[in-house]
Formats: sequence, C-alpha cells, structure tokens
Amino acid sequence: TQLLEQSPQFLSIQEGENLTVYCNSSSVFSSLQWYRQEPGEGPVLLVTVVTGGEVKKLKRLTFQFGDARKDSSLHITAAQPGDTGLYLCAGSRGYQKVTFGTGTKLQVIP
Amino acid sequence: KAGVTQTPRYLIKTRGQQVTLSCSPISGHRSVSWYQQTPGQGLQFLFEYFSETQRNKGNFPGRFSGRQFSNSRSEMNVSTLELGDSALYLCASSSVGGADTGELFFGEGSRLTVL
Repeated sequence: TQLLEQSPQFLSIQEGENLTVYCNSSSVFSSLQWYRQEPGEGPVLLVTVVTGGEVKKLKRLTFQFGDARKDSSLHITAAQPGDTGLYLCAGSRGYQKVTFGTGTKLQVIP
Repeated sequence: KAGVTQTPRYLIKTRGQQVTLSCSPISGHRSVSWYQQTPGQGLQFLFEYFSETQRNKGNFPGRFSGRQFSNSRSEMNVSTLELGDSALYLCASSSVGGADTGELFFGEGSRLTVL
C-alpha cells in the first residue's frame, strides 16, 4: 500500500519557470521530509517539516506542510537545470518505518 | 565527516546465486535502514536496524535478510536471486533512529543486476 502519492509523476519545464510538486496522504505524519536524488546517487535530504502549516524556504525552494499534517508541497521558483532530479517526499510516524512517496521526476531544460 | 559508504557499487549475479551488500553508516549513527529502489515500485523499505536489533521490517520475502554489527555497520543478504531482484539497494543511516526524526542520510547505493 502506497501511503504517499506525489503529483505530477513527471515534469519537464523550461529554465526560469515556476513549478509545484504535491505530496498527499490519508495518514497523519509526525514529520515529513523532502529529498532530491540525482542519477546514480542516493537521495539527499533537503528539508524536514514537523508542524502543521509550517513553511520553510531553502533559496528558491519553498516547502509547506499541510495544516492536518497529511500533505505537503514543494514550490520551485525560477527553476534552473541544476534542479533536475527525482524529488521524493517521505513521512514518518514515531518508531514506524519511514515511508517514501512515489516520486516526481523533474527535468529543467536550459 | 564521512558519509554513508556502500560496497560494492555495482555487481552482476545470475539467478539462484546469493549476494551480500555492506553499509558503513555515518560515525555516531546507530540506525541503519535498507531500501530497494526500482523504476516501477519506487523506494521500498526492507528493514531497519538499531543497536544490532531489527526494529522494523518491510514486506519482502525471507530471502532478504540483514544484520547489524556492534560498530553499527550493516549487511544485507539476498539468497536465491531472482530476475526481479535487480534494483538499486540503498542504505541510510540516522543518528537516533530513522523513524524518530525521519531524517535519513543515504549512501550512493549498490546497483545489482541479476541475469
């Protein structure tokens, strides 16, 4: 059972465009993470959000945790080719396993 | 400080063989988790070890096993390999326990191809 659904699955945009990736679940998570993975490498942690309604910014990336702690979004402003990669959300609930989302593959064309 | 180290990076096996993958976590991290990543299924949780004890286990057959040593290094073993076991196997470490903070630090993975 996939608890975290991401949309869209694939996204191909031009450099300079804005985009939003969504991560949705019917379950409540105590914290949620976003990772970026490049080909041939392991995922790299970008951010953790823990409070419902929390917004965190990392340069051109803005992350939001839903009020009910069931969903999250990642917004990228003025995307650059270096943003290309697979974006994964992941949720944790106490001592249970960390569950990863289905992933969003982003391609930013120069 | 050094990151998570996985060995080998690439390996090719044939059906029926067995394979052992190794993971050295970040120094001081006591939790090690293993994931299988395939294009069709995404990242699937295999198991998590904390202080040499398996704390969580995913929905994989018994052919998949693991262990953790007193120095926190971990190994996973897959016996009687099947074609469907071809995947990127990722190891992740965390300081307290992955599920406590959800923050995982991944290695570069071991790419297994089963022929």
